[in-house]
Amino acid sequence: LAKTTQPISMDSYEGQEVNITCSHNNIATNDYITWYQQFPSQGPRFIIQGYKTKVTNEVASLFIPADRKSSTLSLPRVSLSDTAVYYCLVAAYSGAGSYQLTFGKGTKLSVIP
Amino acid sequence: DVKVTQSSRYLVKRTGEKVFLECVQDMDHENMFWYRQDPGLGLRLIYFSYDVKMKEKGDIPEGYSVSREKKERFSLILESASTNQTSMYLCASSSREGSEKLFFGSGTQLSVL
Repeated sequence: LAKTTQPISMDSYEGQEVNITCSHNNIATNDYITWYQQFPSQGPRFIIQGYKTKVTNEVASLFIPADRKSSTLSLPRVSLSDTAVYYCLVAAYSGAGSYQLTFGKGTKLSVIP
Repeated sequence: DVKVTQSSRYLVKRTGEKVFLECVQDMDHENMFWYRQDPGLGLRLIYFSYDVKMKEKGDIPEGYSVSREKKERFSLILESASTNQTSMYLCASSSREGSEKLFFGSGTQLSVL
Protein backbone atom coordinates (compact mmCIF):
# COMPACT_ATOMS: atom_id res chain seq x y z
CA LEU A 1 0.00 0.00 0.00
CA ALA A 2 1.38 3.43 -0.90
CA LYS A 3 2.31 5.71 1.99
CA THR A 4 2.35 9.45 1.56
CA THR A 5 4.48 11.94 3.52
CA GLN A 6 4.14 15.73 3.50
CA PRO A 7 5.51 18.54 5.69
CA ILE A 8 3.13 19.34 8.54
CA SER A 9 3.20 23.10 8.02
CA MET A 10 4.73 25.90 5.96
CA ASP A 11 4.75 29.67 6.22
CA SER A 12 5.05 32.06 3.31
CA TYR A 13 4.75 35.79 2.66
CA GLU A 14 2.20 37.14 0.25
CA GLY A 15 3.40 37.25 -3.35
CA GLN A 16 5.93 34.44 -2.97
CA GLU A 17 5.87 31.13 -4.79
CA VAL A 18 5.19 28.14 -2.53
CA ASN A 19 6.27 24.57 -3.22
CA ILE A 20 4.84 21.68 -1.22
CA THR A 21 6.35 18.25 -1.77
CA CYS A 22 4.69 14.91 -1.13
CA SER A 23 6.64 11.67 -1.02
CA HIS A 24 4.81 8.50 -2.04
CA ASN A 25 6.59 5.16 -2.13
CA ASN A 26 5.18 2.09 -3.91
CA ILE A 27 2.80 4.07 -6.04
CA ALA A 28 1.50 1.84 -8.79
CA THR A 29 2.44 2.41 -12.40
CA ASN A 30 -0.91 3.69 -13.61
CA ASP A 31 -1.89 5.88 -10.67
CA TYR A 32 -2.57 9.56 -10.87
CA ILE A 33 -1.35 11.96 -8.20
CA THR A 34 -3.96 14.42 -7.06
CA TRP A 35 -3.84 17.48 -4.79
CA TYR A 36 -6.62 19.01 -2.73
CA GLN A 37 -7.13 22.24 -0.79
CA GLN A 38 -9.19 22.45 2.38
CA PHE A 39 -10.45 25.53 4.20
CA PRO A 40 -11.79 25.35 7.77
CA SER A 41 -15.30 23.90 8.07
CA GLN A 42 -15.31 22.73 4.45
CA GLY A 43 -14.58 19.50 2.65
CA PRO A 44 -11.38 19.25 0.56
CA ARG A 45 -11.54 20.66 -2.95
CA PHE A 46 -9.73 19.33 -6.04
CA ILE A 47 -6.84 21.52 -7.24
CA ILE A 48 -4.78 19.60 -9.79
CA GLN A 49 -3.96 16.11 -10.98
CA GLY A 50 -1.07 14.62 -12.94
CA TYR A 51 0.58 11.39 -14.01
CA LYS A 52 4.12 12.48 -14.94
CA THR A 53 6.28 15.52 -15.81
CA LYS A 54 4.46 18.82 -15.40
CA VAL A 55 0.84 19.86 -15.34
CA THR A 56 -0.38 23.44 -15.05
CA ASN A 57 -3.83 24.94 -14.62
CA GLU A 58 -5.17 28.33 -13.63
CA VAL A 59 -4.54 27.66 -9.94
CA ALA A 60 -1.30 25.70 -9.62
CA SER A 61 1.41 23.59 -11.22
CA LEU A 62 2.29 20.02 -10.42
CA PHE A 63 5.76 18.61 -10.95
CA ILE A 64 6.30 14.85 -10.99
CA PRO A 65 9.81 13.40 -11.52
CA ALA A 66 10.42 10.39 -13.71
CA ASP A 67 10.57 7.93 -10.80
CA ARG A 68 7.17 9.22 -9.54
CA LYS A 69 8.22 8.73 -5.93
CA SER A 70 7.34 12.31 -5.12
CA SER A 71 5.34 15.23 -6.44
CA THR A 72 5.53 18.97 -5.87
CA LEU A 73 2.58 21.31 -5.81
CA SER A 74 3.58 24.83 -6.81
CA LEU A 75 1.39 27.84 -5.97
CA PRO A 76 2.52 30.99 -7.76
CA ARG A 77 2.37 34.31 -5.93
CA VAL A 78 0.28 33.23 -2.96
CA SER A 79 -2.25 35.52 -1.32
CA LEU A 80 -3.89 35.46 2.10
CA SER A 81 -6.78 33.49 0.65
CA ASP A 82 -4.42 30.60 -0.10
CA THR A 83 -4.07 29.92 3.63
CA ALA A 84 -5.42 26.38 3.88
CA VAL A 85 -4.44 22.74 4.33
CA TYR A 86 -3.13 20.99 1.22
CA TYR A 87 -3.37 17.23 0.77
CA CYS A 88 -1.82 14.90 -1.76
CA LEU A 89 -3.72 11.78 -2.77
CA VAL A 90 -2.43 8.67 -4.47
CA ALA A 91 -4.17 5.47 -5.44
CA ALA A 92 -2.52 2.17 -4.74
CA TYR A 93 -3.50 -1.32 -5.70
CA SER A 94 -4.72 -3.13 -2.59
CA GLY A 95 -5.37 -6.56 -4.07
CA ALA A 96 -8.46 -8.47 -5.24
CA GLY A 97 -8.91 -6.20 -8.24
CA SER A 98 -9.45 -3.02 -6.27
CA TYR A 99 -7.43 0.01 -5.31
CA GLN A 100 -7.43 2.27 -2.30
CA LEU A 101 -7.12 6.04 -2.24
CA THR A 102 -4.66 7.21 0.43
CA PHE A 103 -4.30 10.82 1.56
CA GLY A 104 -1.21 12.37 3.08
CA LYS A 105 -1.70 13.98 6.49
CA GLY A 106 -1.84 17.42 4.96
CA THR A 107 0.35 20.52 4.94
CA LYS A 108 -1.00 23.59 6.69
CA LEU A 109 0.05 26.63 4.66
CA SER A 110 -0.06 29.98 6.43
CA VAL A 111 0.33 33.06 4.23
CA ILE A 112 1.65 36.10 6.07
CA PRO A 113 0.88 39.67 4.99
CA ASP B 1 -21.38 21.48 -10.26
CA VAL B 2 -21.30 18.16 -8.45
CA LYS B 3 -23.12 18.27 -5.19
CA VAL B 4 -22.42 15.92 -2.32
CA THR B 5 -24.83 16.46 0.53
CA GLN B 6 -24.39 15.18 4.04
CA SER B 7 -27.54 15.04 6.10
CA SER B 8 -26.26 16.79 9.22
CA ARG B 9 -23.62 19.46 9.82
CA TYR B 10 -23.43 18.80 13.56
CA LEU B 11 -24.58 15.78 15.53
CA VAL B 12 -24.43 14.97 19.25
CA LYS B 13 -25.04 11.40 20.39
CA ARG B 14 -24.60 9.38 23.55
CA THR B 15 -22.32 6.40 24.04
CA GLY B 16 -23.98 3.21 22.89
CA GLU B 17 -26.44 4.85 20.51
CA LYS B 18 -26.77 3.69 16.93
CA VAL B 19 -25.83 6.52 14.58
CA PHE B 20 -26.63 6.94 10.90
CA LEU B 21 -24.73 9.40 8.72
CA GLU B 22 -26.30 9.90 5.32
CA CYS B 23 -24.65 11.06 2.11
CA VAL B 24 -26.26 11.77 -1.26
CA GLN B 25 -24.58 12.76 -4.53
CA ASP B 26 -26.33 14.09 -7.61
CA MET B 27 -23.83 13.33 -10.40
CA ASP B 28 -24.49 9.64 -10.98
CA HIS B 29 -21.03 8.75 -9.66
CA GLU B 30 -20.16 5.10 -9.27
CA ASN B 31 -17.67 5.56 -6.42
CA MET B 32 -18.46 6.76 -2.93
CA PHE B 33 -16.26 7.06 0.14
CA TRP B 34 -16.42 7.75 3.85
CA TYR B 35 -13.44 9.38 5.59
CA ARG B 36 -12.92 10.61 9.10
CA GLN B 37 -10.69 13.58 9.82
CA ASP B 38 -8.91 14.16 13.11
CA PRO B 39 -6.30 16.79 14.06
CA GLY B 40 -2.82 15.59 13.21
CA LEU B 41 -4.06 12.44 11.50
CA GLY B 42 -5.41 13.85 8.26
CA LEU B 43 -8.08 12.00 6.29
CA ARG B 44 -8.44 8.31 6.96
CA LEU B 45 -10.56 6.03 4.81
CA ILE B 46 -13.27 4.09 6.64
CA TYR B 47 -15.20 2.38 3.83
CA PHE B 48 -15.73 2.80 0.12
CA SER B 49 -18.05 1.50 -2.54
CA TYR B 50 -17.63 1.14 -6.31
CA ASP B 51 -21.18 0.07 -7.06
CA VAL B 52 -24.61 -0.42 -5.58
CA LYS B 53 -24.68 -3.05 -2.82
CA MET B 54 -20.90 -3.26 -2.96
CA LYS B 55 -18.58 -2.17 -0.14
CA GLU B 56 -14.94 -2.50 0.77
CA LYS B 57 -13.07 -1.80 3.98
CA GLY B 58 -10.65 1.08 4.15
CA ASP B 59 -7.90 1.67 6.67
CA ILE B 60 -10.08 1.98 9.80
CA PRO B 61 -13.37 0.05 9.39
CA GLU B 62 -13.62 -1.20 12.97
CA GLY B 63 -16.76 0.00 14.71
CA TYR B 64 -18.40 1.09 11.45
CA SER B 65 -20.57 -0.41 8.75
CA VAL B 66 -22.00 1.02 5.53
CA SER B 67 -24.97 0.60 3.25
CA ARG B 68 -25.35 1.39 -0.44
CA GLU B 69 -28.84 0.39 -1.57
CA LYS B 70 -29.06 3.09 -4.24
CA LYS B 71 -26.35 4.53 -6.46
CA GLU B 72 -26.71 8.08 -5.17
CA ARG B 73 -26.78 7.26 -1.45
CA PHE B 74 -24.04 5.93 0.84
CA SER B 75 -24.74 5.59 4.54
CA LEU B 76 -22.26 5.21 7.37
CA ILE B 77 -23.49 3.39 10.47
CA LEU B 78 -22.01 3.41 13.93
CA GLU B 79 -23.63 0.36 15.55
CA SER B 80 -22.77 1.44 19.10
CA ALA B 81 -21.19 4.86 19.26
CA SER B 82 -18.15 5.36 21.46
CA THR B 83 -16.33 8.51 22.55
CA ASN B 84 -13.33 7.70 20.35
CA GLN B 85 -15.61 8.04 17.34
CA THR B 86 -16.00 11.75 18.01
CA SER B 87 -14.67 13.22 14.78
CA MET B 88 -15.39 15.04 11.52
CA TYR B 89 -16.86 12.65 8.97
CA LEU B 90 -16.50 13.43 5.28
CA CYS B 91 -18.31 11.77 2.40
CA ALA B 92 -16.97 11.90 -1.14
CA SER B 93 -17.86 10.62 -4.59
CA SER B 94 -16.07 10.20 -7.92
CA SER B 95 -16.76 8.80 -11.34
CA ARG B 96 -15.32 5.52 -12.57
CA GLU B 97 -13.30 7.34 -15.26
CA GLY B 98 -11.98 10.05 -12.94
CA SER B 99 -11.73 8.01 -9.81
CA GLU B 100 -9.05 10.09 -8.09
CA LYS B 101 -10.96 13.33 -8.57
CA LEU B 102 -13.10 13.27 -5.46
CA PHE B 103 -15.94 15.63 -4.69
CA PHE B 104 -16.51 16.09 -0.98
CA GLY B 105 -19.46 17.05 1.15
CA SER B 106 -19.13 19.72 3.83
CA GLY B 107 -18.73 17.16 6.59
CA THR B 108 -20.57 16.09 9.72
CA GLN B 109 -19.01 16.95 13.06
CA LEU B 110 -20.06 14.11 15.36
CA SER B 111 -19.68 14.37 19.11
CA VAL B 112 -20.24 11.25 21.20
CA LEU B 113 -20.74 12.00 24.88
